[in-house]
Amino acid sequence: GQNIDQPTEMTATEGAIVQINCTYQTSGFNGLFWYQQHAGEAPTFLSYNVLDGLEEKGRFSSFLSRSKGYSYLLLKELQMKDSASYLCAVRDRNRDDKIIFGKGTRLHILP
Amino acid sequence: KAGVTQTPRYLIKTRGQQVTLSCSPISGHRSVSWYQQTPGQGLQFLFEYFSETQRNKGNFPGRFSGRQFSNSRSEMNVSTLELGDSALYLCASSPEGRFEQYFGPGTRLTVT
Repeated sequence: GQNIDQPTEMTATEGAIVQINCTYQTSGFNGLFWYQQHAGEAPTFLSYNVLDGLEEKGRFSSFLSRSKGYSYLLLKELQMKDSASYLCAVRDRNRDDKIIFGKGTRLHILP
Repeated sequence: KAGVTQTPRYLIKTRGQQVTLSCSPISGHRSVSWYQQTPGQGLQFLFEYFSETQRNKGNFPGRFSGRQFSNSRSEMNVSTLELGDSALYLCASSPEGRFEQYFGPGTRLTVT
């Protein structure tokens, strides 16, 4: 089967750094995505990791460790507009590359 | 380029009825996926279409079906609606050779 775990909610302060973790169990890992979803809106693509290591994209970075089944999304210099849900999703080659989403982490930013 | 569009945006139906939702992908995208999103279950994969063929299917009952047309537009149909089908239905398209998905605004379906 496949299992994706991420914290349900997190709170951080404007200007700070926050790390959102995601662990997964899958028989045929073939890539991990992070999406941002503001309340009432559609998810938007943030990052895609298929190899181990850190991918940096502006204020957002995503890290992957395939051996540990672990990823994190790092958000720096937090802004109020970063208040959103962050969804971790995994592709599984043993399931025809189906993309399975975690339930998301709701991030609250305090002024 | 225009984004993914979905129609209608909101829909209210009665138990037992059927519904058809429409999705137009980003121009040039041939892969279209459908998801159901509810507060309790999160985003759950329904199916994926590529070049008019269903490439993948999630664990939903046969009441949920879909199709894709030659212009890559896609429809999904839910027959014999149940209260539990109330959800946000999201469509996403992907560019060929890439795996990130671009989501439409969704159709909010309420079954009463």
